[in-house]
Amino acid sequence: DTEVTQTPKHLVMGMTNKKSLKCEQHMGHRAMYWYKQKAKKPPELMFVYSYEKLSINESVPSRFSPECPNSSLLNLHLHALQPEDSALYLCASSQVANNEQFFGPGTRLTVL
Amino acid sequence: QKEVEQNSGPLSVPEGAIASLNCTYSDRGSQSFFWYRQYSGKSPELIMSIYSNGDKEDGRFTAQLNKASQYVSLLIRDSQPSDSATYLCAVSHDKIIFGKGTRLHILP
Repeated sequence: DTEVTQTPKHLVMGMTNKKSLKCEQHMGHRAMYWYKQKAKKPPELMFVYSYEKLSINESVPSRFSPECPNSSLLNLHLHALQPEDSALYLCASSQVANNEQFFGPGTRLTVL
Repeated sequence: QKEVEQNSGPLSVPEGAIASLNCTYSDRGSQSFFWYRQYSGKSPELIMSIYSNGDKEDGRFTAQLNKASQYVSLLIRDSQPSDSATYLCAVSHDKIIFGKGTRLHILP
């Protein structure tokens, strides 16, 4: 299986809501990533998990909370988001030894 | 500040011609180099990885790496309208850094 899956595909939430984005891979990768991408911009790294431990947090606001329950799953918990957080949220995975990352299809998030 | 530079385009190329996309990077310690293709509204798709100096070919795609010049390029032969997309150059040392992407438009 060479696929990274993400759910949901689209999410609309209010600023007081709590929601979660989910990512799953079955490629045996032990590094997983969350990115945020705005229109016409490159992906912006948010978090990196290596062997299920958080290894990089790119100074992301605490309203974004990542979780890696096991080597195949990655969650991003969202709370009290702002309209400027509306973006495409991408999950990726790779071997730890290299950075050859494979992306999921993304979740299109709209914060009202 | 580690940087990856790409011409934003758009780069317009006639169908059937060779498209040449270029990228320069600032971190001399970079070890891994990638090209991603991203269609509008979709996620990036890895199309080429290159780790050592020289050329690497995969079908219509050739990646070229010159570490001395800190330069990596992607050639697309026999360009097709379906190649129209944004191409992201990515460079990795301890973590991956993306360029801003080059928009490629293949003219039918």
